[in-house]
Amino acid sequence: AQSVTQPDIHITVSEGASLELRCNYSYGATPYLFWYVQSPGQGLQLLLKYFSGDTLVQGIKGFEAEFKRSQSSFNLRKPSVHWSDAAEYFCASLMNNNDMRFGAGTRLTVKP
Amino acid sequence: NAGVTQTPKFRILKIGQSMTLQCAQDMNHNYMYWYRQDPGMGLKLIYYSVGAGITDKGEVPNGYNVSRSTTEDFPLRLELAAPSQTSVYFCASRGGQGRIYEQYFGPGTRLTVT
Repeated sequence: AQSVTQPDIHITVSEGASLELRCNYSYGATPYLFWYVQSPGQGLQLLLKYFSGDTLVQGIKGFEAEFKRSQSSFNLRKPSVHWSDAAEYFCASLMNNNDMRFGAGTRLTVKP
Repeated sequence: NAGVTQTPKFRILKIGQSMTLQCAQDMNHNYMYWYRQDPGMGLKLIYYSVGAGITDKGEVPNGYNVSRSTTEDFPLRLELAAPSQTSVYFCASRGGQGRIYEQYFGPGTRLTVT
């Protein structure tokens, strides 16, 4: 079955430290992949997306993600985390025009 | 542009009551979606629409109905509310024909059924 897995439910990092959030997808063809961020009480905001081409994509707020076909992964990274990055992060895969599958999310806590 | 708007922000329903969650977008997007988000879970697609007059079921449609009489509006109807429908509901819209176009999300409606 087509699915998206985020193995880490909750991650805590210190402010200024680097961050990597994991995402794995299960899909026969090359999916379209997204990372969204959700602040408390808010809707989802798109951080970045991958469709084809360069496997390292840059997004907003200093985030980047790397698509690795051999590992079926699309991990999100940031070199230096800011306190304002504390939020819930969702990886999603668009299987066809209208079937967007979301992972369960990773909650990020940033320690001062 | 206001983007995607949803009303109400919060609602408490009694079991068996009905209500309509409103969603509107002012971006002239053809595609619109309704998702629910349960605690500790990702979003699951309830219904979607590819244009006025056209709707289709998503992953979890039972207990819900939708209509799309205009491009701008995509209301979600709960006919007989059940505790299992306690959730946060998000509406989203997307422009363009291809998958490269991102979805824009509304702020959500938090619904509690008791």
